[in-house]
Amino acid sequence: DVKVTQSSRYLVKRTGEKVFLECVQDMDHENMFWYRQDPGLGLRLIYFSYDVKMKEKGDIPEGYSVSREKKERFSLILESASTNQTSMYLCASSPWSGATDTQYFGPGTRLTVL
Amino acid sequence: QKEVEQNSGPLSVPEGAIASLNCTYSDRGSQSFFWYRQYSGKSPELIMSIYSNGDKEDGRFTAQLNKASQYVSLLIRDSQPSDSATYLCAASFGNEKLTFGTGTRLTIIP
Repeated sequence: DVKVTQSSRYLVKRTGEKVFLECVQDMDHENMFWYRQDPGLGLRLIYFSYDVKMKEKGDIPEGYSVSREKKERFSLILESASTNQTSMYLCASSPWSGATDTQYFGPGTRLTVL
Repeated sequence: QKEVEQNSGPLSVPEGAIASLNCTYSDRGSQSFFWYRQYSGKSPELIMSIYSNGDKEDGRFTAQLNKASQYVSLLIRDSQPSDSATYLCAASFGNEKLTFGTGTRLTIIP
């Protein structure tokens, strides 16, 4: 079974703090993704990575950065957290197949920025 | 902008009936389509994927794709209370990324 884990289920931070969300997958997948999910807006892609040290912006990258130093680990960084970044953050991974393949999701991190 | 649209619901269906969920997409170049189920407070899990026109069946679930009309649907036969969840439609536009709809909330009434 594919397993995607995220470092925290719930996180509370203060405005201006630097926040790290970590994601680890154990299936040797090439692709990893970070989404945020908000009521009425659905899942929106923040960043994705198709290889170590490679990254591409998604639909809403502003205020976020990412790091992928190892194949199994993909980190999302909020350089200076703001209240509008309060959301559910979901990490996903998928194998590279030359086309879109199934994405497997982690359990999510509910981040609250006060 | 490539879009995937779903009726947000809620959609209420009696237990044992057929639940029908629909999704439309804007880009005729879309190649792959997925249905994910998301229980409240949980992460999405894949139910079905479909890549070519027609029907694809898996147990009580049937995905239908009509590329000419740009819609995808999911039918759930013999609906059970455990099917109550939000169903997300997603489409790939030829790369590794997925575009998700906002989801349809389905409630199965015992």
